[in-house]
Amino acid sequence: QQQVKQSPQSLIVQKGGISIINCAYENTAFDYFPWYQQFPGKGPALLIAIRPDVSEKKEGRFTISFNKSAKQFSLHIMDSQPGDSATYFCAARSYQLTFGKGTKLSVIP
Amino acid sequence: KAGVTQTPRYLIKTRGQQVTLSCSPISGHRSVSWYQQTPGQGLQFLFEYFSETQRNKGNFPGRFSGRQFSNSRSEMNVSTLELGDSALYLCASSPSGTSGNQETQYFGPGTRLLVL
Repeated sequence: QQQVKQSPQSLIVQKGGISIINCAYENTAFDYFPWYQQFPGKGPALLIAIRPDVSEKKEGRFTISFNKSAKQFSLHIMDSQPGDSATYFCAARSYQLTFGKGTKLSVIP
Repeated sequence: KAGVTQTPRYLIKTRGQQVTLSCSPISGHRSVSWYQQTPGQGLQFLFEYFSETQRNKGNFPGRFSGRQFSNSRSEMNVSTLELGDSALYLCASSPSGTSGNQETQYFGPGTRLLVL
């Protein structure tokens, strides 16, 4: 069964700090790795995505690091803000999106 | 462009009933996927429709079914509801749903179903 393992389950970070969420996968057929952000009462929204032939992608304060040999990828949120408080999901796609279980991020002032 | 819309937003049903949820994709998008989101299991893929045909299916019982119309709108049906079917049902659309193009899936706000 295709799986994506995400950690930690919850994360508390002070404003201005770095939030780091990690994911690991098993299926080498995955060819696209997006991160989604979900606020309460809303559907997930694409935050940033990476292909396996790239080791890092940065968009503003958000960076994905990808380690193909280790089959791991992570999301770094620099200068975390209270408005970043949400649940974050990593995902991996072959013919469908397989999601991690999510990380609830709380950024405290 | 208008986003993905789902109706109804909230629904309360009792065990044994059936329910139909509706999803209107972004204009021009032909692929519609459905996901079930629960606190315990997270986001799980139900099925994907493209050009009125089910293209992929997740590991859910046959009580869960869907269809897609010629205008790409999709419906999902759950028959003989069980308490465990209480969840947020999310619909996502993409232009063609082709993995090779690494297309982004855009999610709707979901329909929250409560089964009593």
